Amino acid sequence: KAGVTQTPRYLIKTRGQQVTLSCSPISGHRSVSWYQQTPGQGLQFLFEYFSETQRNKGNFPGRFSGRQFSNSRSEMNVSTLELGDSALYLCASSGEVPYEQYFGPGTRLTVT
Amino acid sequence: AQSVTQPDIHITVSEGASLELRCNYSYGATPYLFWYVQSPGQGLQLLLKYFSGDTLVQGIKGFEAEFKRSQSSFNLRKPSVHWSDAAEYFCAVEARRGGNEKLTFGTGTRLTIIP
Repeated sequence: KAGVTQTPRYLIKTRGQQVTLSCSPISGHRSVSWYQQTPGQGLQFLFEYFSETQRNKGNFPGRFSGRQFSNSRSEMNVSTLELGDSALYLCASSGEVPYEQYFGPGTRLTVT
Repeated sequence: AQSVTQPDIHITVSEGASLELRCNYSYGATPYLFWYVQSPGQGLQLLLKYFSGDTLVQGIKGFEAEFKRSQSSFNLRKPSVHWSDAAEYFCAVEARRGGNEKLTFGTGTRLTIIP
């Protein structure tokens, strides 16, 4: 099976812009979670989607949003970008084996 | 709320030496525990997991971890490290409430291997 894929891998945006990141889970996986990784805050949970519904949400402002499509692919959107949003955004999917999350390579977002 | 502590920010070991990375967790119920490894510029790879049962779990790449409820620990071990083990290692606890999945990670331990 192909692993979790994320596009794009690298992105440079300017403050105030918005950005959309994409994640394709492992085939058959219905749960997709997003995490933000920064040197200062480490790995932090953003949100989780299952069957197109947001099941869980971390402590991030409303500028961070996401959605999941019927094929389980997921997107996350960050509006009004701030310098502090520069991070590696990781997507993870899980399927029949509960609690076991498989991560993609991440999207490196730089905000200037 | 659950939390994970990895007390060692950076560890250096010689190639061929044994390794132990420490992890302590705080969680009100039976925890689901994980170790992940991250190479530079890469995503996270699952090394091993503990759900229940045998407290000594085997993972990939020759790693193992032992769950000790009395010490709230889940330390990762490897008897003989290889240069390719140089990476960052993250311990994580799963908070499963009503079917929601959410991993809480420790701050990570960076492992350096010297020849």
